[in-house]
Amino acid sequence: GQQVMQIPQYQHVQEGEDFTTYCNSSTTLSNIQWYKQRPGGHPVFLIQLVKSGEVKKQKRLTFQFGEAKKNSSLHITATQTTDVGTYFCAGPQGGSEKLVFGKGMKLTVNP
Amino acid sequence: KAGVTQTPRYLIKTRGQQVTLSCSPISGHRSVSWYQQTPGQGLQFLFEYFSETQRNKGNFPGRFSGRQFSNSRSEMNVSTLELGDSALYLCASSRTGGPTSGNTIYFGEGSWLTVV
Repeated sequence: GQQVMQIPQYQHVQEGEDFTTYCNSSTTLSNIQWYKQRPGGHPVFLIQLVKSGEVKKQKRLTFQFGEAKKNSSLHITATQTTDVGTYFCAGPQGGSEKLVFGKGMKLTVNP
Repeated sequence: KAGVTQTPRYLIKTRGQQVTLSCSPISGHRSVSWYQQTPGQGLQFLFEYFSETQRNKGNFPGRFSGRQFSNSRSEMNVSTLELGDSALYLCASSRTGGPTSGNTIYFGEGSWLTVV
């Protein structure tokens, strides 16, 4: 079945650093979504990318959808302690309404 | 407006028992889906309901079932609980369709189930 892989699974950065996390799907996606889950919390929708090569920004977060619509990236600039959490990417499976999630990238920030 | 509400938030059950979890979607949302989250397997899709009909189902045994009522509220039931069913069960709602249709899904805070 469809698989969504995220790398790295863990990322520890110093406050103020930039970093990028990647998401790869085994199949072409109609769209890709990113979620953030704070420790002890629930996933919160961040953004959805639909078009090939699409780039969207939310303040210090930049999301990109690959040209082949099989991969995506999340880049965070000037990381802050408020960025701590697990970031998930997810894509719909085939034509269904089933979301397939990656295992997540857990971010910790050293102040 | 109120978000997705799940009850109960925390519960402890014994192996072999059954459990029912409840979800009230955001007002106006008609699609409700359920996910299981565990440290080992991550977020896994259980099923999705729309207008009281199950439209999609994940790869879980028949012990996991659900239903949706005419007011869009949903319940999921797990029978003959096993230790491995200990997890965070998340409900999510969206307006009409789900992610394939481009709809944003909104998660509730989840129900933490511990099976002992």
